[in-house]
Amino acid sequence: EPEVTQTPSHQVTQMGQEVILRCVPISNHLYFYWYRQILGQKVEFLVSFYNNEISEKSEIFDDQFSVERPDGSNFTLKIRSTKLEDSAMYFCASSDRGSETQYFGPGTRLLVL
Amino acid sequence: QKEVEQDPGPLSVPEGAIVSLNCTYSNSAFQYFMWYRQYSRKGPELLMYTYSSGNKEDGRFTAQVDKSSKYISLFIRDSQPSDSATYLCAMSFFTGGGNKLTFGTGTQLKVEL
Repeated sequence: EPEVTQTPSHQVTQMGQEVILRCVPISNHLYFYWYRQILGQKVEFLVSFYNNEISEKSEIFDDQFSVERPDGSNFTLKIRSTKLEDSAMYFCASSDRGSETQYFGPGTRLLVL
Repeated sequence: QKEVEQDPGPLSVPEGAIVSLNCTYSNSAFQYFMWYRQYSRKGPELLMYTYSSGNKEDGRFTAQVDKSSKYISLFIRDSQPSDSATYLCAMSFFTGGGNKLTFGTGTQLKVEL
């Protein structure tokens, strides 16, 4: 069964460093998302991406964040200058045209020291 | 008032019990309602999806939506220890560029032998 994959599974970085989180969505899907979950809190929407552009972003998704689909398979989330409060689990998700159901990857656990 | 409210639990039941999980919401624009299961430190796994009001059954799982009361439920029949997980309700409406999912906090369920 097709699935969303994410790398790395864990990332530890120093405050102020740039990180890139990678995702490979399900191959025929057209809508791509990033969510995050701070430990013990709910899953929160960050950004949606369709037709090679951001379609919606949350207040969390400030100028330090960017997304890119550099080729036909990868979808990346970049945090330019990480803060302590960026420590969280980051989930990528994707969905098909006409489908409201999103399929999530296993997540990247980011720890900012 | 939070957009989506969900009792965090924990909820502990004996094996074989019927489990009832619930969420309330405030945004009447929500059209699509989902239940995800999340095991510890893993990505959310889609369990059930419903559109608008009504019931939907899949094996031991039944999802119920009452839009007039802004209330959704997930019932699990003949619960098993393997059902022990956190159950997340999520809801959305389509905006053209995708669906931003709004999640509840999740209910932690433990099914005891």
